[in-house]
Amino acid sequence: QVQVQGSGPGLVKPSGTASLTCTVSGMSISTDHWWSWVRQAPGKGLEWIAEVFHNGNTNYNPSLKSRVTISVDKAKSQLSLTLHFVTAADTAVYYCARLNGPNAFDIWGQGTMLTVSS
Amino acid sequence: EIVLTQSPGTLSLSPGERATLSCRASQRVSSNYLAWYQQKPGQSPRLLIYRTSSRATGIPDRFSGSGSGTDFTLTIARLEPEDFAVYHCQQYGSSPLTFGGGTKVEIK
Repeated sequence: QVQVQGSGPGLVKPSGTASLTCTVSGMSISTDHWWSWVRQAPGKGLEWIAEVFHNGNTNYNPSLKSRVTISVDKAKSQLSLTLHFVTAADTAVYYCARLNGPNAFDIWGQGTMLTVSS
Repeated sequence: EIVLTQSPGTLSLSPGERATLSCRASQRVSSNYLAWYQQKPGQSPRLLIYRTSSRATGIPDRFSGSGSGTDFTLTIARLEPEDFAVYHCQQYGSSPLTFGGGTKVEIK
């Protein structure tokens, strides 16, 4: 059974750095799929942040590119997201999702909440 | 960046009724790579429709997608109690990938 489990610090102070991780189990993270981070602020819509391929190739949303780093650790079957200089606007649930080529985001993690507050 | 505008923002209907949700793109969606997701409170989004009109695995046939270019529609033929939720459209044909603002389907 495929599981995508997100984890993170929960609470980060403004101007700090947040590091989030998704652990994929029940399937290989090294298949030919892009893995993305998507976030959702409270009561708002979904926002795509970035994507990574198992070979380390990445793409970023220009709106966040200057503050975000996405990476993959194949040995641990994990993808990570680092968000620098966080503000209250970064408060959101952060999801991992697998892009299955033309078949869209077919696998989603359960989401991890990040709150930015002093 | 392709901006997706969903309408209406909220749809109030009764079980058994037909729901028609719209998603309009600011530019043509490449290869009609337009998807629809269902999201219930406290849950992750679930893929319903990909590539405009293909149903994802396990999705009932009361859900259907149509459209092309810049105008897309999700239709729920007869609403079941479990269908009351928020629906998001997404284009994944060009970067950055973008989502619409969502349509909430609520019980009238």
